[in-house]
Amino acid sequence: ETGVTQTPRHLVMGMTNKKSLKCEQHLGHNAMYWYKQSAKKPLELMFVYSLEERVENNSVPSRFSPECPNSSHLFLHLHTLQPEDSALYLCASSQVRGGGNTEAFFGQGTRLTVV
Amino acid sequence: QKEVEQNSGPLSVPEGAIASLNCTYSDRVSQSFFWYRQYSGKSPELIMSIYSNGDKEDGRFTAQLNKASQYVSLLIRDSQPSDSATYLCAVNMNTGFQKLVFGTGTRLLVSP
Repeated sequence: ETGVTQTPRHLVMGMTNKKSLKCEQHLGHNAMYWYKQSAKKPLELMFVYSLEERVENNSVPSRFSPECPNSSHLFLHLHTLQPEDSALYLCASSQVRGGGNTEAFFGQGTRLTVV
Repeated sequence: QKEVEQNSGPLSVPEGAIASLNCTYSDRVSQSFFWYRQYSGKSPELIMSIYSNGDKEDGRFTAQLNKASQYVSLLIRDSQPSDSATYLCAVNMNTGFQKLVFGTGTRLLVSP
């Protein structure tokens, strides 16, 4: 496998369910991101992990819980979501160096529907 | 002021014309700049990166960077209907740590 892979591609969950989104990058990068993209809205940065440390939590509700066990894997744990959380969830990775970031590469996204 | 600003569009151009997409950013010390293309329902894909002032050409695409004016642009020559998409500008920023910040994107429509 190459690049950034996300699973599942599609997810339908009830408001009382608990589910997790998975992201894996095979690029040797040291930073990983979760973005949310709602219909006809721009990308919203949710979380940033740099060198496996969470360095940003962009006022995201606690019903979203990220986990980065190592530099290649990133999870987004979901519980008691609301219908307005339905969106495309995108994972990305990049290489952070002294002078800044290299290009970020995105996974194909998880289309989440909360019913 | 938003960190990365783009006109949301839509920008409409006829097939064969040059499409010009613009982006301004707030962080004067940013060093890395990227353009992504996103088709509806798909994830963003990288099309250009630029790190130094001036122009960088890749096929029909030219990225232009002016750090003094904090301005980066993307020109698409000989626009095709298949170029119709949302174009996202991304800028690396140092806010205590390095992160990529995206603009809201400009929707481009190329009519046959």
